[in-house]
Amino acid sequence: DTAVSQTPKYLVTQMGNDKSIKCEQNLGHDTMYWYKQDSKKFLKIMFSYNNKELIINETVPNRFSPKSPDKAHLNLHINSLELGDSAVYFCASSQGLAEGGEQFFGPGTRLTVL
Amino acid sequence: KQEVTQIPAALSVPEGENLVLNCSFTDSAIYNLQWFRQDPGKGLTSLLLIQSSQREQTSGRLNASLDKSSGRSTLYIAASQPGDSATYLCAVPGGMNYGGSQGNLIFGKGTKLSVKP
Repeated sequence: DTAVSQTPKYLVTQMGNDKSIKCEQNLGHDTMYWYKQDSKKFLKIMFSYNNKELIINETVPNRFSPKSPDKAHLNLHINSLELGDSAVYFCASSQGLAEGGEQFFGPGTRLTVL
Repeated sequence: KQEVTQIPAALSVPEGENLVLNCSFTDSAIYNLQWFRQDPGKGLTSLLLIQSSQREQTSGRLNASLDKSSGRSTLYIAASQPGDSATYLCAVPGGMNYGGSQGNLIFGKGTKLSVKP
């Protein structure tokens, strides 16, 4: 069984469109994250949610809106896509925000904006 | 602000060689340190998690050490195999902010390892 899953795996779209990426974890974790890996392969945090509550929003444009309907899901909606949004987006989860538990990552969603 | 550096950026070795990957971090107040492996076009696979109270952690041919006071960790790979070829990333939690733990990971830029048959 996949621990952290993301859909879709690939997303190709035109500038200006709105798109969503879904993430689900079946590990029973209480904290979920979105990371962005740019063209230079550098991974950087975008958001983190603990028990469905937003903890971190790391200077991400407000075109990006995460939504956590429950502890097992953290979806990412992106409005008015721009060329610079092209990247690989990774979802991750862990247990216990304060304890800094081991993080498990999804397979990634490769977003290409044309 | 926590920063993570990995040296070297790339490493090419012949099969069977033992090797060491290095990771350093600027703020020693960490809860733990995690090593990951990323294959091309794939996600991250967690290899080892070392808690701040531990000095080392082992899994098969992998051994990770942690020296908090000096802000360093090493990942030792014994008897390397072509299947070990991948990018290895180290990461530490982002630290405290606004009175609580952030939990997010701060990553190094990785070491790209190539093991030649």
